[in-house]
Amino acid sequence: EPEVTQTPSHQVTQMGQEVILRCVPISNHLYFYWYRQILGQKVEFLVSFYNNEISEKSEIFDDQFSVERPDGSNFTLKIRSTKLEDSAMYFCASSDPGQSMYGYTFGSGTRLTVV
Amino acid sequence: DAKTTQPPSMDCAEGRAANLPCNHSTISGNEYVYWYRQIHSQGPQYIIHGLKNNETNEMASLIITEDRKSSTLILPHATLRDTAVYYCIVRPYSGAGSYQLTFGKGTKLSVIP
Repeated sequence: EPEVTQTPSHQVTQMGQEVILRCVPISNHLYFYWYRQILGQKVEFLVSFYNNEISEKSEIFDDQFSVERPDGSNFTLKIRSTKLEDSAMYFCASSDPGQSMYGYTFGSGTRLTVV
Repeated sequence: DAKTTQPPSMDCAEGRAANLPCNHSTISGNEYVYWYRQIHSQGPQYIIHGLKNNETNEMASLIITEDRKSSTLILPHATLRDTAVYYCIVRPYSGAGSYQLTFGKGTKLSVIP
């Protein structure tokens, strides 16, 4: 079964450093998403992306965050200057416009620890 | 999006049916009911969705009441691998397009040997 692949599985970074989280969505999917989950809390929407631009973003997704599809397969989330409160699991997801009724496929996540 | 209410936790004996309830009394006519689950700290996994008819797939069945104000997810023969947090989510569907999912706290289902 096709998968959404996220790398790395765990990243530790120092406060103030830039970090890039990488995702390879399912190949025929056209909608891409990032969600995050702070430990013990709800899964929260960050951003959706389609046709090389942001479709929708939450209030969490401020100027410190950016997304990019640098090539035909990768989808990245960049945090420019990490804060302690950015520590969370970050999940990438993708969906097929022809099958958007059937939900997203999420990746296994990247655990980001900011120290 | 309509708000959902789920019990925080439930237990189920292995091999028995797990019935997970969800209240969505403010659901609108164009809103679908979706169920996802999250095993440990993995990414959420889509299970099933429905509008007003009961639905069944290889993972589960979804029973939606006639007034659509509540639904029940049924795992017919729960296994230890079904231990997870189950999320009931209501979202409007207006055709193909990107959309955000609003996750609540869900129900933590523990399947007991």
